[in-house]
Amino acid sequence: DSGVTQTPKHLITATGQRVTLRCSPRSGDLSVYWYQQSLDQGLQFLIQYYNGEERAKGNILERFSAQQFPDLHSELNLSSLELGDSALYFCASSVGPQGALEAFFGQGTRLTVV
Amino acid sequence: QQQVKQSPQSLIVQKGGISIINCAYENTAFDYFPWYQQFPGKGPALLIAIRPDVSEKKEGRFTISFNKSAKQFSLHIMDSQPGDSATYFCAGGSYQLTFGKGTKLSVIP
Repeated sequence: DSGVTQTPKHLITATGQRVTLRCSPRSGDLSVYWYQQSLDQGLQFLIQYYNGEERAKGNILERFSAQQFPDLHSELNLSSLELGDSALYFCASSVGPQGALEAFFGQGTRLTVV
Repeated sequence: QQQVKQSPQSLIVQKGGISIINCAYENTAFDYFPWYQQFPGKGPALLIAIRPDVSEKKEGRFTISFNKSAKQFSLHIMDSQPGDSATYFCAGGSYQLTFGKGTKLSVIP
């Protein structure tokens, strides 16, 4: 158990809908990262938050957004969902914003868009 | 643009053999190179990591070899066991990680 908790584990929704994925980082970790894992693209970095502030952005679509709350949990919001958004979404956490890249991953949320 | 290239895509090794997975990176700003192990239905788990100021790091049966001039690094799994069967990802980064596409390792008895 990595100490990173993601909910829900599975999510099935229809095209055009909006969903929210939740992540609780390991105790003491201030950084949260979101990754998308699909069969053909591997693990793609979406976005990083550090202590409530956006720190870095990767290949995140404009339809997607995230935030980190004062209690350090994070939410990834996916809207206007398309079939191609079906993937595993992972959250990872680490202690610091840079350098300390020892990131621990949660179990992921499997999103299926039908 | 893929910044970390991983090979092979899949690997079959006999029990007790050596598994070798290779990665090459492009971004010379990367200063941290971890390997992750992922079992089906689970999240990636940090296995071993290296920084570019050392050429080799060993933890148990797992060794990372690092060649800074060639911008390449590799994972060696000695005495491979069926329980090592998983997908392995290399990564590189300085602020956040860029992952290779993964290698599916199967260790057969």
